[in-house]
Amino acid sequence: DIQMTQSPSSLSASVGDTVTITCQASQDINNYLNWYQQKPGNAPKLLINDASNLATGVPSRFSGGGSGTHFTFTISSLQPEDVATYYCQHFDSFPLTFGGGTKVEVK
Amino acid sequence: QVQLQESGPGLVKPSETLSLICSVSGSSISSRSCWGWIRQPPGKGLEWIGNIGNLFDTEHTHYSPSLKSRVTMSLDTSKNQFSLRLSSVTAADTAVYYCARVYVQMDRQEAFDIWGHGTMVTVSS
Repeated sequence: DIQMTQSPSSLSASVGDTVTITCQASQDINNYLNWYQQKPGNAPKLLINDASNLATGVPSRFSGGGSGTHFTFTISSLQPEDVATYYCQHFDSFPLTFGGGTKVEVK
Repeated sequence: QVQLQESGPGLVKPSETLSLICSVSGSSISSRSCWGWIRQPPGKGLEWIGNIGNLFDTEHTHYSPSLKSRVTMSLDTSKNQFSLRLSSVTAADTAVYYCARVYVQMDRQEAFDIWGHGTMVTVSS
């Protein structure tokens, strides 16, 4: 099974800051990497698929990058409404796995 | 607009079978499509349970290895629903259960793009 290691597990930043989360896969996942946002009490929401494709309606301050086994997720100007937990997930092959999540807070 | 809604008992006794239904509106599950179940124990992260679909004119399923011996998924095209059954449940199966649509591109499953709101299932006597 492919393991997804996400870091950090939590972070706190100021409004307007740039925030970066990393996700490491235990083997090459051919860029089949997705990022989800989960706000408290809500279902996850797809933000980025295939490592860097922004889902419909997602603000452009969100971006994704990387390839092979190392991926990044960036919020270029953190907003108060971005408080949430963010998860990476691979869709390269079954079984599917999620990263452990990164809780993002605003100072 | 595609919408998914989970339904089922909120309380299940240990050793019994958890049964949930996901009702789909705005899209037909009888078309070439895939669907999934994901769960989230209280205060913890997301765990994939399995996917079911009919991309190749036959029903196909993929299950998490850790749950495979206890999981069954099925499609009910007459009701535009799909279901999850998890047998021999324990307290460790207490979680919010989500159903989701799988975004498919060129016959390849790519992401969970639309999610239900989730339903809390507690395993307790």
